[in-house]
Amino acid sequence: AQSVTQLDSQVPVFEEAPVELRCNYSSSVSVYLFWYVQYPNQGLQLLLKYLSGSTLVKGINGFEAEFNKSQTSFHLRKPSVHISDTAEYFCAVSENTGRRALTFGSGTRLQVQP
Amino acid sequence: ETGVTQTPRHLVMGMTNKKSLKCEQHLGHNAMYWYKQSAKKPLELMFVYNFKEQTENNSVPSRFSPECPNSSHLFLHLHTLQPEDSALYLCASSQDGGAHQPQHFGDGTRLSIL
Repeated sequence: AQSVTQLDSQVPVFEEAPVELRCNYSSSVSVYLFWYVQYPNQGLQLLLKYLSGSTLVKGINGFEAEFNKSQTSFHLRKPSVHISDTAEYFCAVSENTGRRALTFGSGTRLQVQP
Repeated sequence: ETGVTQTPRHLVMGMTNKKSLKCEQHLGHNAMYWYKQSAKKPLELMFVYNFKEQTENNSVPSRFSPECPNSSHLFLHLHTLQPEDSALYLCASSQDGGAHQPQHFGDGTRLSIL
């Protein structure tokens, strides 16, 4: 069965600094990977996804993520964060065989400080 | 109106009440999902419907009863709930039940059980 680990529950960072949110997954088959963002009192919004091809994936709001198969990681990065990036970020994985529903990590709270 | 709409946004009910949560999607999708989001826990998949047929029930107690009359509407009927059922309930939809399809989320219903 697939699983997702987000190593940091909270990441404080100053405005305009770079940030990396870490995500590791476990699966015995090939996977699809997603990052979602949740702003207060809202649902989840897709930031980016990796399905196949180039391991560097660019998403909305200046975010990007890199798929590393050997390290089973899919870390999210942004070179310069804004106050408006303050939110909860979720990594998710689905397998292309068997149970295909999304499995989510426990989330990382990104707190951008002025 | 576009996207995924959930009503009501907030619901307070006693343990003996019966209520229903509603989800409507205007994206032309064929798969719909119910998730439970509790504080400090990963999102928990509850039910999956694909082309109006339930394809997954993730060991959800029978006090939660889903209904999917068509591909655009999804309900979650609630009765005799417990305090631990207090959570944010999120509805999502995707093009179909394929593992590579990203899910689009509503803003959720915040449920409080007295």
